[in-house]
Parts: sequence; C-alpha cells; structure tokens
Amino acid sequence: DQQVKQNSPSLSVQEGRISILNCDYTNSMFDYFLWYKKYPAEGPTFLISISSIKDKNEDGRFTVFLNKSAKHLSLHIVPSQPGDSAVYFCAARASGGGADGLTFGKGTHLIIQP
Amino acid sequence: GAGVSQTPSNKVTEKGKYVELRCDPISGHTALYWYRQSLGQGPEFLIYFQGTGAADDSGLPNDRFFAVRPEGSVSTLKIQRTERGDSAVYLCASSPGRRNTEAFFGQGTRLTVV
Repeated sequence: DQQVKQNSPSLSVQEGRISILNCDYTNSMFDYFLWYKKYPAEGPTFLISISSIKDKNEDGRFTVFLNKSAKHLSLHIVPSQPGDSAVYFCAARASGGGADGLTFGKGTHLIIQP
Repeated sequence: GAGVSQTPSNKVTEKGKYVELRCDPISGHTALYWYRQSLGQGPEFLIYFQGTGAADDSGLPNDRFFAVRPEGSVSTLKIQRTERGDSAVYLCASSPGRRNTEAFFGQGTRLTVV
C-alpha cells in the first residue's frame, strides 16, 4: 500500500523549459512534505520542503505547490538545466503520530535534453 | 567530515552471514535515521534514533535487523543470517533533531547477499 505515489517513472524536458514533477499521497495525517534529488551512487540531497499550513514554497528555480484537498503536490523547476537531470523523490511525514521517518515515493527520473 | 559518512560503501556477503554497516552522522546532529532502498524503489524507513535511544523502530522488517547508537553519535546497523532479499542500498541520514527539519543523507552502503 503505497502512501506516497509518483506515477511518472521518467520525464524528459528540454533545457530552458519548465519541469513539473507530480506526487500524490493517501495518508491525511501527512503534514510535512519534502523533495529530494538523487544522482547515481550518491545519497539523496534535500531540495525543498513545504508544511501543510502553506500552499506554495519557492526557492530560486524550485517551487513546490501543495493542494491538500486533492492530496497532491508538485515540484516546478524553471528554467530546467542539464544539471537537474537526476531522480527526484517526493517524501512525506506525519508530525502527530506514525513513524518518525519519511515515507518516500518511488521517484521520477528527470532527463533534461540539450 | 562535513557530511554523513557511511562505511563500507560496498559489501558483498554470503547468505547466512552476519554484517555490520556503520554510519557517522554530521557532528551535533541528535537525530539519526536508517533507510533501505531496493532497486526501483524509494528509500524505506527502518529506524530512528533520538540521541542514544531508538525512538521508532517500526520499520525494521524482522528480528534479524538491529541497530545501536551507544554514544549518541556513530550508529551501526546489524543484520543477522543475511538473506538474498536483504540486498539493497542502506542509507543513513541525520538531522539537528528539530521537527520538520530536512535530513542529510550519506552516500549509502550497497549490500549484496550472494
């Protein structure tokens, strides 16, 4: 039973365009969401997060949007750059009970085409 | 070092053997997490330490898995009677311990059970 779902295993975007990565969750107790980026043979690196009291958080080229009613969040990268090619993981946590660790999706492999 | 360090980076062991995986967290981080990532999956939570104690071990798959953090810094994940299904990348992460703070991951230990 996947509580965090990333339904697109891969996504190809042209350099300079916007990349939109999507994530859906089923557990209504989740109230904190994070995006991690992972290069091969490296550990995931934190990218951006959002608390459930907000619907948008922006950091440079990266913006995360949260739609609580739809249990959906998305990561926008604009403009996309070749170094953005990596696997992106959506993760979630419930602060009030449940496991203290993060629940991750399966990831989306983003490929930025030159 | 500045980041989370995991040793060894690769470990090949025979089915039925015992293995230990080590994690050196970022200095001063009180929270430490272990995750397991199988091929094509996102990281899966195993155990969370706050200081020396295991605050949440709900992710450990069975009693062959055990982890310690005796002095509140370095942690060791121990797997007894290894099985081929234990083959995965084992990731360690640490954070300052505040709620909703992103965790910093190590590069992982790739365990292969033959």
